[in-house]
Amino acid sequence: QVQLVESGGGLVKPGGSLRLSCAASGFTFSDYYMSWVRQAPGKGLECISYISSSGSTIYYADSVRGRFTISRDNAKNSLYLEMNGLSVEDTAVYYCARDDGAYVWGQGALVTVSS
Amino acid sequence: DIQMTQSPSTLSASVGDRVSITCRASQSISSWLAWYQQKPGKAPKLLIYKASTLERGVPPRFSGRGSGTEFTLTLGSLQPDDFATYYCQQYNSYPWTFGQGTKVEI
Repeated sequence: QVQLVESGGGLVKPGGSLRLSCAASGFTFSDYYMSWVRQAPGKGLECISYISSSGSTIYYADSVRGRFTISRDNAKNSLYLEMNGLSVEDTAVYYCARDDGAYVWGQGALVTVSS
Repeated sequence: DIQMTQSPSTLSASVGDRVSITCRASQSISSWLAWYQQKPGKAPKLLIYKASTLERGVPPRFSGRGSGTEFTLTLGSLQPDDFATYYCQQYNSYPWTFGQGTKVEI
């Protein structure tokens, strides 16, 4: 069955960096667009980045553009999110999601930005 | 980006009630709409896609309808397990966008 497992979350100080990873299994990873969707505490859902199946098309929300970098390794069935210049506003659960139009979700990784 | 607006933001109901949640898109999205249920501390769970198609394993008391810019999720007879937050999401135009959520509470 489809599995998406995020890792790399944790506590980081403002201005710091973190790299999230998402290990995919149970499907042909290289066939799908993949996304990172985040949810701040008590807030709604926001797609902050997506990447096409080949990696040639990439999108960033205004809130993260210039600070976050999405990438993928189709040979390793893995999706990544490099996060730099983190601020308290980036505190959220970050979900890796397969883009079927509707999303197939991982369990999420908590990122807490605090001094 | 397409804006999605859900109403109400909060809905108070009782077990056995029939309730409906509305989702409006800022422009036509045809039938490219999904509904999710989310419980605290959990990832969203897909209920309905393509506006009215029930995801496998989802109870038939959930139903969706609509096309264009106006959509409705109906819970036919609320069960204790249904108290949660519900989100709509359009996938007609990138970036996919979500409604702000509707909390169904007792």
